[in-house]
Amino acid sequence: SQQGEEDPQALSIQEGENATMNCSYKTSINNLQWYRQNSGRGLVHLILIRSNEREKHSGRLRVTLDTSKKSSSLLITASRAADTASYFCATVLYGGATNKLIFGTGTLLAVQP
Amino acid sequence: GAVVSQHPSWVICKSGTSVKIECRSLDFQATTMFWYRQFPKQSLMLMATSNEGSKATYEQGVEKDKFLINHASLTLSTLTVTSAHPEDSSFYICSASEGSGPREQYFGPGTRLTVT
Repeated sequence: SQQGEEDPQALSIQEGENATMNCSYKTSINNLQWYRQNSGRGLVHLILIRSNEREKHSGRLRVTLDTSKKSSSLLITASRAADTASYFCATVLYGGATNKLIFGTGTLLAVQP
Repeated sequence: GAVVSQHPSWVICKSGTSVKIECRSLDFQATTMFWYRQFPKQSLMLMATSNEGSKATYEQGVEKDKFLINHASLTLSTLTVTSAHPEDSSFYICSASEGSGPREQYFGPGTRLTVT
């Protein structure tokens, strides 16, 4: 299976705390992306990090990438109740003329007010 | 910009009937569209990739005769679940990208299918 693994599977924290989610993948990548999904909704693209980047920031989000370990982490600082959602990493699999996203197993984050 | 819509948002149908789900790119031309299926508390699994005007490419294990995909225009792709069974009940999500190659995918809000 190409699918990546994420841990933890579920995480519950208090508002104001930081949340860290990890993603491991199996193949060489060009970039890795993180998405958020609110319950029963579509996906929202959060951030993309390229294979030649080690760290990237966007607001309260910080993503790191370690291509030697084939792993990435997503840190959400000063979490809010509205951050409650599932978070997925995704890698791009290039095949012919199209690119396919391969999603990780996801982390369910619950932020308690 | 880059908005993708899906219709319907949810549908309930009886076993044995067929259901059509539409995916539209509202403000861009989607050369490539992707269809995903997501079971409860699981990740998204790619079902097929479709390019406008050509046949869809299905992932291993996905029955092409059961999940009919049509991408007849640059703004519309449809997924028809034929002879639906309760095990087809799932959340179906489409995404679209402009052009091929390493382009960002924009996701629709998903369609919840329940087969009774």
